[in-house]
Amino acid sequence: DVKVTQSSRYLVKRTGEKVFLECVQDMDHENMFWYRQDPGLGLRLIYFSYDVKMKEKGDIPEGYSVSREKKERFSLILESASTNQTSMYLCASSLVTVINTGELFFGEGSRLTVL
Amino acid sequence: GEDVEQSLFLSVREGDSSVINCTYTDSSSTYLYWYKQEPGAGLQLLTYIFSNMDMKQDQRLTVLLNKKDKHLSLRIADTQTGDSAIYFCAESRLIEAAGNKLTFGGGTRVLVKP
Repeated sequence: DVKVTQSSRYLVKRTGEKVFLECVQDMDHENMFWYRQDPGLGLRLIYFSYDVKMKEKGDIPEGYSVSREKKERFSLILESASTNQTSMYLCASSLVTVINTGELFFGEGSRLTVL
Repeated sequence: GEDVEQSLFLSVREGDSSVINCTYTDSSSTYLYWYKQEPGAGLQLLTYIFSNMDMKQDQRLTVLLNKKDKHLSLRIADTQTGDSAIYFCAESRLIEAAGNKLTFGGGTRVLVKP
């Protein structure tokens, strides 16, 4: 079974702190994604990466950066956390295949509260 | 740009059928998906349909796609209490070298009453 592991399930941080959210997948997937989930807004794509050291902005990249130094690990960084970044953050990965159904495999999420 | 809309909430009695509806805007979508999120968990793929199909059935699940109206629905037959969850509709667009990029709707919370 594909496993996507997010290291922190719950975090509480103060405004202005630097925050790292880590995600690791164990199935050699090329693509990795960071979404944030807010009630009524669904999932919004922050950043994605389709290869090591490659990154692409999603729909809401402002205030975030990412790092992909190894294929299995994709980190989301909040350089200076703000209260409007309080949210559930979901990491996902997918395999690029000839059929390319685009199925995403999700981690369990990291709930971040910024005070 | 892509936009996906769903109703926020659906209440249904155990044993009845549930129908969750979704509309999308991107006519170049390649696949459309239904994901399920149980409390405290990430999303799991329930089913998907290729954009040139109009129906797909998988046990209790029936997906209907009206490409002309850009309307997708998920019917769950004989709904059980374990079907209580948030259901997300998503569409995908193919990005060169990167595979599919998914856009999600806001999610429909389904509550199954005994």
